[in-house]
Amino acid sequence: GEDVEQSLFLSVREGDSSVINCTYTDSSSTYLYWYKQEPGAGLQLLTYIFSNMDMKQDQRLTVLLNKKDKHLSLRIADTQTGDSAIYFCAESLMDTGRRALTFGSGTRLQVQP
Amino acid sequence: DTEVTQTPKHLVMGMTNKKSLKCEQHMGHRAMYWYKQKAKKPPELMFVYSYEKLSINESVPSRFSPECPNSSLLNLHLHALQPEDSALYLCASSQRGGNGETQYFGPGTRLLVL
Repeated sequence: GEDVEQSLFLSVREGDSSVINCTYTDSSSTYLYWYKQEPGAGLQLLTYIFSNMDMKQDQRLTVLLNKKDKHLSLRIADTQTGDSAIYFCAESLMDTGRRALTFGSGTRLQVQP
Repeated sequence: DTEVTQTPKHLVMGMTNKKSLKCEQHMGHRAMYWYKQKAKKPPELMFVYSYEKLSINESVPSRFSPECPNSSLLNLHLHALQPEDSALYLCASSQRGGNGETQYFGPGTRLLVL
């Protein structure tokens, strides 16, 4: 199957770390992505990880991939109010003809001052 | 430059109107996509063009008609839409349209059908 699941809401205080989780069911995934969507805006690509990697770090962002459990997480260090948005994980599948992404339902991150 | 632009930003149309959404990228990408996003939902794929040819149509009603005049431009022609078609329409592009490619999204056009 191609289900991608995320928790709906996360609230953190400014300066804390945020961890957004995602689970997927298709083991043939190649790339896994994190997109950020601010209110009324399009999707901004934050980072991605190839399925043969365990971890990727990019400034305040750390992506962890557990292929055995099909679990992907995005950690945002020193979370700021500007990080408040909806975060979508998405997978791109290797063995299908569909040249498109399968998105999770999105996690709304609320950062309290 | 990883920019995808879309016009207009907002559009209000009646059910008898004909309008078009436009998308442009200058990254040399040869695959372009239309997605529809309803409020509080993830984007849903509508169409994929690869090398200016329509390669995927996700059973979209014929009142939505895509067009890819050249490798940089993608249009979505709208005619006789229904109120339930109100949504954010997102355009994206990627290198060739193969699996595993990174897709870059535009800011979207917010459409309201009255």
